[in-house]
Amino acid sequence: DGGITQSPKYLFRKEGQNVTLSCEQNLNHDAMYWYRQDPGQGLRLIYYSQIVNDFQKGDIAEGYSVSREKKESFPLTVTSAQKNPTAFYLCASSFLDWLGTEAFFGQGTRLTVV
Amino acid sequence: AQTVTQSQPEMSVQEAETVTLSCTYDTSESDYYLFWYKQPPSRQMILVIRQEAYKQQNATENRFSVNFQKAAKSFSLKISDSQLGDAAMYFCAYTYDYKLSFGAGTTVTVRA
Repeated sequence: DGGITQSPKYLFRKEGQNVTLSCEQNLNHDAMYWYRQDPGQGLRLIYYSQIVNDFQKGDIAEGYSVSREKKESFPLTVTSAQKNPTAFYLCASSFLDWLGTEAFFGQGTRLTVV
Repeated sequence: AQTVTQSQPEMSVQEAETVTLSCTYDTSESDYYLFWYKQPPSRQMILVIRQEAYKQQNATENRFSVNFQKAAKSFSLKISDSQLGDAAMYFCAYTYDYKLSFGAGTTVTVRA
């Protein structure tokens, strides 16, 4: 079945450590996105990528990094520079004609800093 | 920057009745898309309905319909004949230039 897979579902990190969240899709989508969800703030865009080896900062990119070496994969690294990383992270993908095209979402990763 | 505002953090509706969720947005663009997404307790995001700004006719999907007022930059969602499975958080979203912006969400509770 086609879909978008995020792993792991739950992730714990010690302060000062970097951590990488995985996002893989087999929908042949060109565009991929990372969002952060906090209570009362909806979804905020971290990074997005329209083609392989290219990506753009979203509204809250500070403290995060991404790579897009393959069309199917768009991992997100939460670095130690991110001041408040505890949140729910959602990955999404769509065909390149984003305007009006439905975005498909993964099931999310809950990151907790301990 | 485009912003999306949902002014109702929570709404409650009796089963089989109707509830309307409000959404306003700010943009200087003339052509764009608006969406309503549903996020049930599983946290899986599901597209409920979409509306193109150039189309004056309000979109409808079964029990879900929108009231799109372009001049007022308003995009409300009406859920008719509410069912227990409609209980979820609902997000209004706006897209332009490959960026999808979301509102803060409205939690809908359905009373049996």
